[in-house]
Amino acid sequence: DIRMTQSPSSLSASIGDRVTITCRASQDIRNYLAWFQQKPGKAPKSLIYAASSLQSGVPSKFSGSGYGTEFTLTISSLQPEDSATYYCQHYDTYPPTFGGGTKVEIK
Amino acid sequence: EVQLVESGGGLVQPGGSLRLSCAASGFTFSDHYMDWVRQAPGKGLEWVGRTRDKINSYSTEYAASVKGRFTVSRDGSKNSLYLQMNSLQSEDTAVYYCARSIRDSSGHYNFDYWGQGTLVTVSS
Repeated sequence: DIRMTQSPSSLSASIGDRVTITCRASQDIRNYLAWFQQKPGKAPKSLIYAASSLQSGVPSKFSGSGYGTEFTLTISSLQPEDSATYYCQHYDTYPPTFGGGTKVEIK
Repeated sequence: EVQLVESGGGLVQPGGSLRLSCAASGFTFSDHYMDWVRQAPGKGLEWVGRTRDKINSYSTEYAASVKGRFTVSRDGSKNSLYLQMNSLQSEDTAVYYCARSIRDSSGHYNFDYWGQGTLVTVSS
């Protein structure tokens, strides 16, 4: 199985900060990479697919980049509603696997 | 509006069985791959299994951890997805989410909508 590793596992940032989360795949997954946001007690919400394409209705402050084995999710200007855990996931082959998550908190 | 509503979770003894349901609405159910994803308490997300669309004969795929014990199926007449879980173990305790998958331009499928989840607790 492909192993997905996220860093950092948690971070604390101020309102308005630019936040970047990294996701690394244990082998080449081309651009078959998605990002999800999950708030406590809620279902995950799909943010990005194909490494950089925004799902419908997702604000443009979220952006993704990368190809192959290294990917990033960026929040351009952190807001209180962005406090959540973020997961990456590959969907290149079976089984699709998720990273361990990055918890984003507001200072 | 796409809606996915899971039901059927609860407390079950080790070795027991349970069937989860996911009622889908707001889209053409037969045209979409559908998945189950679970999350153990305080842990991350784990893909469980998938059923493909009608064109692909609703064929299925499973995670190694559940293969042979869990079965994903669907009923198009009811727009419903199911997860039959047998030989349940304590490590199957989790919130189970159904998710719709959508085909991107490259032909790969990624999750776009998720249900709210249903909790399964395996304990004596």
